[in-house]
Amino acid sequence: AQSVTQLDSHVSVSEGTPVLLRCNYSSSYSPSLFWYVQHPNKGLQLLLKYTSAATLVKGINGFEAEFKKIETSFHLTKPSAHMSDAAEYFCVVIRDDKIIFGKGTRLHILP
Amino acid sequence: SQTIHQWPATLVQPVGSPLSLECTVEGTSNPNLYWYRQAAGRGLQLLFYSVGIGQISSEVPQNLSASRPQDRQFILSSKKLLLSDSGFYLCAWISGRVGEQFFGPGTRLTVL
Repeated sequence: AQSVTQLDSHVSVSEGTPVLLRCNYSSSYSPSLFWYVQHPNKGLQLLLKYTSAATLVKGINGFEAEFKKIETSFHLTKPSAHMSDAAEYFCVVIRDDKIIFGKGTRLHILP
Repeated sequence: SQTIHQWPATLVQPVGSPLSLECTVEGTSNPNLYWYRQAAGRGLQLLFYSVGIGQISSEVPQNLSASRPQDRQFILSSKKLLLSDSGFYLCAWISGRVGEQFFGPGTRLTVL
């Protein structure tokens, strides 16, 4: 079975500093992994996806994630945080045709 | 092009009243459809999914039910709402191509 674990429920960074949102997955085979962002009172927006092509995936708004099979991780990063990045982020895996969400990480950007 | 519609966008209902949320998709046929709920301060929980007309699977026991009367229509219902039913409800579908998921804009339900 596949699932995802987001290791931090809240992350705070200063504007202009790097962002790291952690996600680990459990899977017996190569998963399809995604990161979504949800701004306050908004729907979900796809940031990026990994589907067994390149292990380093570049997404929108300067975000990227690296699929690491040995570590079973798919952490989301951004070199320099912007105030508009404040939102909730979800790591997602597809399992048995179901979309399985992590519990989410709320990113706070400090001025 | 593939799109997914949900309505209403927001809803305020009294405890004990009925509920009907509708989701429809365009640009695809025989999609797998899903209902998720996001309660305040919590992640997204899968409530129901459907692989075809009349086929509904429930993931968690609750006060809600779902129906799929047509191929591209998925309805979430309740006979009597509880306070704990408040939350943000999302409809979604997965296409046959790996990695293609589509989410509706969501319905914010407040039960008073």
